[in-house]
Formats: sequence, structure tokens, C-alpha cells
Amino acid sequence: QLQMVESGGGVVQPGRSLRVSCTASGLAFSSSAMHWVRQAPGKGLEWVAVISFDGSDTYYADSVRGRFTISRDNSKSTLFLEVSSLRPDDTAVYYCARAPPRRLTGFDYWGQGTLVTVSS
Amino acid sequence: AIQLTQSPSSLSASVGDRVTITCRASQGIRSALAWYQQKPGKAPKLLIYDASSLEAGVPSRFSGSGSGTDFTLTISSLQPEDFATYFCQQFSSYSFTFGPGTRVDVK
Repeated sequence: QLQMVESGGGVVQPGRSLRVSCTASGLAFSSSAMHWVRQAPGKGLEWVAVISFDGSDTYYADSVRGRFTISRDNSKSTLFLEVSSLRPDDTAVYYCARAPPRRLTGFDYWGQGTLVTVSS
Repeated sequence: AIQLTQSPSSLSASVGDRVTITCRASQGIRSALAWYQQKPGKAPKLLIYDASSLEAGVPSRFSGSGSGTDFTLTISSLQPEDFATYFCQQFSSYSFTFGPGTRVDVK
């Protein structure tokens, strides 16, 4: 069964940090670029960050650059997002998503999401 | 950064209706566009990639077309399970922008 499972969400105070994780199984994880996408309550989807299959390249949305760090451990088929200097408008469900190998568009597998709530 | 707009923002339709949703990019993106369906409390589901290619397992009533700046998602005969929100996403630049979404609900 192909699946990705996020973990690490929770309630965190403004200005603090948190690390969310995404563990994949049954997928060509080490061959795939991986993304984080978030969705604030009742809002649309916002792309957050991408990391290349080998971790050598990363790109970020302007809204998180300098505060968020994407990384991966291919030996454990796990993707990470370190979120720091958190603000209330970072409150969202955070999804990991896979970009399939040898395809230019579309995220074919998504995790179930983990909720990060930034509140004092 | 490339911006995407969708129209309409919402629509009401009946089972069996033909539904068309439009996505427009602020600059040309060739065919670098995907479409997703999202239901409440669930992750998005990929429907169309490369603007017009149907993802495996997706019913053939879904189709995509367009290139450059103007794209369309069509549902040829709306089914009860199709009431959801639909998003487009561009892959032309390293911003991977999503459109704001189109909600399809029951008339």
C-alpha cells in the first residue's frame, strides 16, 4: 500500500519552533522530489517548499523563506519541515506531497496532513 | 511570481450536468498545469497533469485542456461524488502556485 503519514503537528506559541515529519512507504521515495503544501482553516492551498530527490536543491515560498527548512533522510524514507519564528498566520494543515519521478507536473500522493496551530 | 485565477469561484450544479472550470495564468506556462479535487477534511487528489493527461484511476468524465495562459477542467456528466472543491496548480516556476479554488455544490 502506497502511503505517506505526517506527524509532529500541535499547538505552539508565536515565535517558537516545531518540526513536522512525513514518512513514506511503498513509494519510490529516494527517486522523488518532495513538497510541503499547507492549508489554513477554510482557505485554499499554499505551496510551501520543495526538496530534490537527493536533497541537494531546495526552494521555498516567499512567505516562509528564512523561517522554514525542508530536509529529508532517504535511508528512513522521511521528509522533514523545520518551522521556526512561527506566526499566527502559519496556522494550517501541513501536507507532504510527492512529485512522481520522470513527470513534470502533478503531486500524485499526499499525506493526510498534520495541523499546526500557532497561538499563545 | 506567476499568479493563477479560477472562475467561477463557486457553482451550483445537478447530477448529470456538464461542468466547466477555468484557470488563467498571469503569464504563459506552456502545459505545466495540474488539477486537483479536494473534499472537506481530506487531502487533495490529483485528477489531471500536464494540462490534459488523466491520472491513473480517475474517471474518464474528467478532462483537461489548454496551454499557455488559459486552461479548462471539464466534468462531462457530474456524479454525486464529484461535489467538491477543485484547484489548479502551475509548475512553470519554482513557486508551484495554486489557484484559489472552485467549489462545486448541489443545485
